[in-house]
Amino acid sequence: EVQLVESGGGVVQPGGSLRLSCAASGFTFDDYAMHWVRQAPGKGLEWVSLISGDGGSTYYADSVKGRFTISRDNSKNSLYLQMNSLRTEDTALYYCAKDMGSGVDYWGQGTLVTVSS
Amino acid sequence: QSVLTQPPSVSAAPGQKVTISCSGSSSNIGNNYVSWYQQLPGTAPKLLIYDNNKRPSGIPDRFSGSKSGTSATLGITGLQTGDEADYYCGTWDSSLSVLFGGGTKLTVL
Repeated sequence: EVQLVESGGGVVQPGGSLRLSCAASGFTFDDYAMHWVRQAPGKGLEWVSLISGDGGSTYYADSVKGRFTISRDNSKNSLYLQMNSLRTEDTALYYCAKDMGSGVDYWGQGTLVTVSS
Repeated sequence: QSVLTQPPSVSAAPGQKVTISCSGSSSNIGNNYVSWYQQLPGTAPKLLIYDNNKRPSGIPDRFSGSKSGTSATLGITGLQTGDEADYYCGTWDSSLSVLFGGGTKLTVL
């Protein structure tokens, strides 16, 4: 059974930093690209970032480019999102999600990030 | 404002059929597979349809998907109160990003 468990969310002031983690199990982690997708309170889904299975390729939404960094440690079956220069508009539930080649198939339960002074 | 356009809401009576549209362009839907996701209140999204019209195991055949040109459609037949949820379409974009529609809230009257 595929399981994705996010952690690391919390309350941070504007301009601050936070590092999210996602622990994956139930599949061969390094065979799959992984995504971060976020959902602001009461809003729709917004794709944030993608990393290839070997970690060699990364892609970002324009809204986070230059501020967020996606990475993975295949020896630990873990995905990360380093978020710097956080803004109030980054407040959202952040989901870790597994890629299936033509989109996302499995999602974690999310970790909440609140950016507020 | 999402690049993929969905109606904000749809509604139908139990047992009836409903369709949800997702409109894009040649740089996204027109040249890529479409997926559909169901998000029940307070839960994470769940994959309903992938590769335009395929259902993952465990998804009932009441749910169907289709694509034509730069638009895609999710169909749900035999509506149940448990189908009340937000539904999102998703696809790749030529800029190597993933796009989601703005979401459609389904109400089963």
